[in-house]
Amino acid sequence: KAGVTQTPRYLIKTRGQQVTLSCSPISGHRSVSWYQQTPGQGLQFLFEYFSETQRNKGNFPGRFSGRQFSNSRSEMNVSTLELGDSALYLCASSLDTEGFGYTFGSGTRLTVV
Amino acid sequence: AQSVSQHNHHVILSEAASLELGCNYSYGGTVNLFWYVQYPGQHLQLLLKYFSGDPLVKGIKGFEAEFIKSKFSFNLRKPSVQWSDTAEYFCAVSGGADGLTFGKGTHLIIQP
Repeated sequence: KAGVTQTPRYLIKTRGQQVTLSCSPISGHRSVSWYQQTPGQGLQFLFEYFSETQRNKGNFPGRFSGRQFSNSRSEMNVSTLELGDSALYLCASSLDTEGFGYTFGSGTRLTVV
Repeated sequence: AQSVSQHNHHVILSEAASLELGCNYSYGGTVNLFWYVQYPGQHLQLLLKYFSGDPLVKGIKGFEAEFIKSKFSFNLRKPSVQWSDTAEYFCAVSGGADGLTFGKGTHLIIQP
């Protein structure tokens, strides 16, 4: 079966712009969570959605937001981009919120210049 | 809040050597524990997971991990490593409202 699909794979944006990243979970998975991976901070939890509702949120500013659609696909948005937002953004899907093993996508590499 | 500590940031071993990567977590409630691996240029893959039951869990590619509740530890082991095990290994815990909390990772290099 198809894995977790993230688009686009690479993105270059200018400081101050906004960006939207997309994630399609494995068919049947209702939980989607987002993570930021940087060399300095490692993997950090952004937020988790389950059945279109945000269930958990990490310690990130309000510029980071997300949503989940009825087909479980999810998007995350970052507004007013800063240089420090440059990172690999990973999406993971799971059958439910307790995570019977999260399956990760390949990520979107965002570079802010 | 939960946290995860991985003891070694870089480990270099020769092929056929035994491997043990340390992982300690802090969280007062019931936790689910995971080890993920990230091979060069690839996405994160689940190696093994512990939810309940037998504290010794076996994963893919010959890896295993032991959950010791009294020590808040979940160490990863493999009796004989191969060159293809070169990768970044992440310990993670879930159980609170923080999603998956990851350790900083251990970069493992296997020398042929």
